[in-house]
Amino acid sequence: NAGVTQTPKFRILKIGQSMTLQCTQDMNHNYMYWYRQDPGMGLKLIYYSVGAGITDKGEVPNGYNVSRSTTEDFPLRLELAAPSQTSVYFCACRDTTGNTIYFGEGSWLTVV
Amino acid sequence: DAKTTQPNSMESNEEEPVHLPCNHSTISGTDYIHWYRQLPSQGPEYVIHGLTSNVNNRMASLAIAEDRKSSTLILHRATLRDAAVYYCILRGLNTGTASKLTFGTGTRLQVTL
Repeated sequence: NAGVTQTPKFRILKIGQSMTLQCTQDMNHNYMYWYRQDPGMGLKLIYYSVGAGITDKGEVPNGYNVSRSTTEDFPLRLELAAPSQTSVYFCACRDTTGNTIYFGEGSWLTVV
Repeated sequence: DAKTTQPNSMESNEEEPVHLPCNHSTISGTDYIHWYRQLPSQGPEYVIHGLTSNVNNRMASLAIAEDRKSSTLILHRATLRDAAVYYCILRGLNTGTASKLTFGTGTRLQVTL
């Protein structure tokens, strides 16, 4: 059981470039989340989704976009990358009635 | 959202019990208390959660104060593998609030031989 899979694990971007962080889960969970974590800090919610076709902004959505065309996939798009987006990104999911949130292993992104 | 307060860091000797405190004086009646931990270079993982009663599982115990304004995560015998950042998080029952977990900076637990 793979759980939550994120790709790529590491990426270096140049300022102004765009990229998509992929996230897929095989647990058939409705809720999915994207968090970012800056060094020495807690996680901050970027976007979340309560089901296919539904997304909503979290605490720090600026500079990002998401889509949720299927239950399994929740890609995070970075447009016009900036150094402030250098961070570790975590995707997560949760069942509607469950109490446990399952996190991926993270994607380390550096913007130079 | 109700906030939580945790010490920035704690130290423990291996094989000793560890009590990690969390204050949440503005907790509402429907907020669950969740604990997650984050090992180095990994995503957070669920530890335990509770509402009013103390809870036990294979990883830890959760002691909740009678007024629910504080709680304590108890690791009965700390090992080197328990060195991590521990997050105390409140999560409400209604769908809107339950969609989000708000992470603070947590408590960094160091375990020494």
